[in-house]
Amino acid sequence: DTEVTQTPKHLVMGMTNKKSLKCEQHMGHRAMYWYKQKAKKPPELMFVYSYEKLSINESVPSRFSPECPNSSLLNLHLHALQPEDSALYLCASSLRDGNQPQHFGDGTRLSIL
Amino acid sequence: KQEVTQIPAALSVPEGENLVLNCSFTDSAIYNLQWFRQDPGKGLTSLLLIQSSQREQTSGRLNASLDKSSGRSTLYIAASQPGDSATYLCAVPQTGGGGSEKLVFGKGMKLTVNP
Repeated sequence: DTEVTQTPKHLVMGMTNKKSLKCEQHMGHRAMYWYKQKAKKPPELMFVYSYEKLSINESVPSRFSPECPNSSLLNLHLHALQPEDSALYLCASSLRDGNQPQHFGDGTRLSIL
Repeated sequence: KQEVTQIPAALSVPEGENLVLNCSFTDSAIYNLQWFRQDPGKGLTSLLLIQSSQREQTSGRLNASLDKSSGRSTLYIAASQPGDSATYLCAVPQTGGGGSEKLVFGKGMKLTVNP
């Protein structure tokens, strides 16, 4: 079990659907991250929130829309995704940004039909 | 631009062996280095984080060392067990701007420990 909880664990959606991925942590961490991981590849950073403000957007397409409603929650809203967006989406958190260990959730396995 | 390399990409050993996993990075101006473990279909589990001022960190059967000047880190696993089978990744914060929140990962090393 991890201290970063992601839901759902699996998601299958069509290219016209709208869905959201959710991430929650109650460790008092003030930095939260979204990563995308393709099979047999390392994770790639998508977004970083620091103190509920978006601090890094790694030129991610607008069909991915992050949201940080409070210090414990991080959402990733999905709309009009492409088949190549199928991947494992990982959420992580750290005490604050910079020089702190990042703690990862188990991810959401996303499949786009 | 920071680059992280892990060689070999895969390793298969019999149970009980002591193992050394290697990680190298191109820019020595790092804040820290983190070792992770990833089981199939799962997220990453943080194993050890070594700050730039430290030479090594230990947790149970794991020991990680850091040599910034040579751009290398090793993860030592003592008395390997089948439960150690996983992919091991090392990561360092991006240097040269962009924030130390951005981790640069190696491609990982898939370890199989055979009973």
